[in-house]
Amino acid sequence: KNQVEQSPQSLIILEGKNCTLQCNYTVSPFSNLRWYKQDTGRGPVSLTIMTFSENTKSNGRYTATLDADTKQSSLHITASQLSDSASYICVVSDRGSTLGRLYFGRGTQLTVWP
Amino acid sequence: EADIYQTPRYLVIGTGKKITLECSQTMGHDKMYWYQQDPGMELHLIHYSYGVNSTEKGDLSSESTVSRIRTEHFPLTLESARPSHTSQYLCASSGQSPGELFFGEGSRLTVL
Repeated sequence: KNQVEQSPQSLIILEGKNCTLQCNYTVSPFSNLRWYKQDTGRGPVSLTIMTFSENTKSNGRYTATLDADTKQSSLHITASQLSDSASYICVVSDRGSTLGRLYFGRGTQLTVWP
Repeated sequence: EADIYQTPRYLVIGTGKKITLECSQTMGHDKMYWYQQDPGMELHLIHYSYGVNSTEKGDLSSESTVSRIRTEHFPLTLESARPSHTSQYLCASSGQSPGELFFGEGSRLTVL
């Protein structure tokens, strides 16, 4: 069964600290993996995309990694800011059809305290 | 910033009422989607469309219906709302980049 599991479910850190969010998936055949940020009461916004051949990709203070062998991805946030408080959702796309079906994790709820 | 809009943002209605959630995008995307999201849970696909006059049901069974008469417009309708329909409804569209969705701000529906 294709699944996407995220950990931790929630996380509280102090402003300025770093943190790492995890995503494990069993989706096959794999096409790509995206991390989305969803602010409270808003729609998700794409942060990064990782394809099979990519190991690391950065977007400002966000760095995503992908290990296609172990089917794990992480999102590292450096020097956290209050505005980083949000839910971070891991989404994996398969290559099983032209549809490119998407599998969603439940998200990690990050809270940054001053 | 994505150009996809949902109205209303918040709606509180009584049981049995008919409601329509509006979704419009100005990006010219052929593919559009409706997702249902409950707190702490993953997004569930309830409807999608690949173009005008094309609509399909998603993975999660839903009593709602959709229509796609124009490329930019993808409204969702509930003929008779019930408390079990209380949820956040997210509209999205996608272009050429695989797996990239552009989401609206969401419509939070509460049925009393």
